[in-house]
Amino acid sequence: EAQVTQNPRYLITVTGKKLTVTCSQNMNHEYMSWYRQDPGLGLRQIYYSMNVEVTDKGDVPEGYKVSRKEKRNFPLILESPSPNQTSLYFCASSTLPGSRVETQYFGPGTRLLVL
Amino acid sequence: LAKTTQPISMDSYEGQEVNITCSHNNIATNDYITWYQQFPSQGPRFIIQGYKTKVTNEVASLFIPADRKSSTLSLPRVSLSDTAVYYCLVASWDNYQLIWGAGTKLIIKP
Repeated sequence: EAQVTQNPRYLITVTGKKLTVTCSQNMNHEYMSWYRQDPGLGLRQIYYSMNVEVTDKGDVPEGYKVSRKEKRNFPLILESPSPNQTSLYFCASSTLPGSRVETQYFGPGTRLLVL
Repeated sequence: LAKTTQPISMDSYEGQEVNITCSHNNIATNDYITWYQQFPSQGPRFIIQGYKTKVTNEVASLFIPADRKSSTLSLPRVSLSDTAVYYCLVASWDNYQLIWGAGTKLIIKP
């Protein structure tokens, strides 16, 4: 089954304690991205990656890091989480076609609470 | 990058046709328009995509005027299960960044 998986689904942590949210897709997609979703603000892209070892900042990259060492995995790293990073996070993937936007496939989401 | 503007919320009743319009004044020549549906605590899922004129699939229709500065998602005969947030996404692969609007919260009443 084609899918994007994220772990953990729920996470409560404290300010400053480094954490990683994993994302994996089994569709051989080139494009992967991370979003955060806050009430009233819709989806905001944090980082995106066009392929292995190629990443770039989205709208709200401050306080986050990513890596793309393998095509299927795109972890999101919070080196020193702060309460303003409390949010619902989504990972997404798609192909990278030449002339049209392909469907974005989303993971189930990770709800993060930073105390 | 095209930026989209949608109504924040809409209400309708079961069995009615619902039209949600998205404004994208700065759409570029290569940009496609895609609509997604999101239920609470789930990731968005694809509904329909178009470039110009009209596109129809089994769940919705998408109307795009000639100037392409707006688009309208049409949901025929809605049911309670269509209550969700609907996003209009306008993107091109020129710079690979995707910018999403705030979405329209659609509430269907019995």
